[in-house]
Amino acid sequence: GENVEQHPSTLSVQEGDSAVIKCTYSDSASNYFPWYKQELGKGPQLIIDIRSNVGEKKDQRIAVTLNKTAKHFSLHITETQPEDSAVYFCAPGAGSYQLTFGKGTKLSVIP
Amino acid sequence: DTGVSQDPRHKITKRGQNVTFRCDPISEHNRLYWYRQTLGQGPEFLTYFQNEAQLEKSRLLSDRFSAERPKGSFSTLEIQRTEQGDSAMYLCASSLVAGRNTIYFGEGSWLTVV
Repeated sequence: GENVEQHPSTLSVQEGDSAVIKCTYSDSASNYFPWYKQELGKGPQLIIDIRSNVGEKKDQRIAVTLNKTAKHFSLHITETQPEDSAVYFCAPGAGSYQLTFGKGTKLSVIP
Repeated sequence: DTGVSQDPRHKITKRGQNVTFRCDPISEHNRLYWYRQTLGQGPEFLTYFQNEAQLEKSRLLSDRFSAERPKGSFSTLEIQRTEQGDSAMYLCASSLVAGRNTIYFGEGSWLTVV
């Protein structure tokens, strides 16, 4: 089965700085790479995703980069704001019918 | 635009009792998923349906767990003879088969077994 690792497990940044979270996976069949944000007591919310035929995708302050050869993809958040504080999960999948979630990264943005 | 709806949001039950959770997916989404999440961990896949057919079950889904989607719309997840280890958040999600296949999650149903 898929083995997913996220680093770091916790991350503290000053408001306005950038944050980067890396996800490595093992299954070469994975072709769908989403990032979810989860706030306390809520379900995961998709914030950005990328497919294997694309190397990078950007949506305002959020970007995802993919290195399929090395089997890792990263979440980049620029100009962080206090409301970005949450737990972030990568969840690679093959065919997107079954996602394997990492253990999460707790991001704290300090005002 | 209604999202994935789950009910109840919280359930406290005594060990050995049965519990049932309901999920209403986004309208017209033909795929429906169940995941389980324990504190400090990421969600883990349990099972998924395409329309009314249950196409995949994780080994995490013991024989005390049963999921149904009788008419291809809402789904129920029943846990029989609950154990303390069943305490977790049960997440439902849905997606379309075709197109972007983005999976949208509900807010989850918290289960506490005492």
